[in-house]
Amino acid sequence: KAGVTQTPRYLIKTRGQQVTLSCSPISGHRSVSWYQQTPGQGLQFLFEYFSETQRNKGNFPGRFSGRQFSNSRSEMNVSTLELGDSALYLCASSLLDLAGEQYFGPGTRLTVT
Amino acid sequence: EDKVVQSPLSLVVHEGDTVTLNCSYEVTNFRSLLWYKQEKKAPTFLFMLTSSGIEKKSGRLSSILDKKELFSILNITATQTGDSAVYLCAGLPNAGGTSYGKLTFGQGTILTVHP
Repeated sequence: KAGVTQTPRYLIKTRGQQVTLSCSPISGHRSVSWYQQTPGQGLQFLFEYFSETQRNKGNFPGRFSGRQFSNSRSEMNVSTLELGDSALYLCASSLLDLAGEQYFGPGTRLTVT
Repeated sequence: EDKVVQSPLSLVVHEGDTVTLNCSYEVTNFRSLLWYKQEKKAPTFLFMLTSSGIEKKSGRLSSILDKKELFSILNITATQTGDSAVYLCAGLPNAGGTSYGKLTFGQGTILTVHP
């Protein structure tokens, strides 16, 4: 069974631009969570989607948004990029609706210059 | 606010040594504790612990959860250079309300195994 896939793997953007990252969960998994990983803050929860609905959101500004499609694929969008948005963005999928183990994709390395 | 603390933050050992990594947590409506291994890529799932006192094992790795004292340990016996990585633990609450899908991670323990 294929794992979680994320595209693109690497991205360089300039301040003020916006970016869209994509995540395809493991087949059959319907819950997708997004995390931001930086050296200073570690792994921090962004949001979680299930059946096209955002059920939870972390403490990030409104510039960070996302959505989930009917096939469980998810996208996250960051508008008006700032230098501090440079990070590894990871998505994780879970089989169970209720508090199941999460499996991570390879991540998208975003660099904002 | 939920909090997960790992210790030590870094550890240097030689091949063949046994190591114990610690993880303490304060997670509202706690359900499970997860361990991940992260090399220069995405975290790889190791264990999910939900019940107290029941050891989970996978090869040379084992882990146990103490829900009374709110901590977990990850043991690695007969370490190998391939065990060098960052080990992350994360607390997972029961689903519902503002808890869906939210893992709270510790800072990680950087393990370096020398030949």
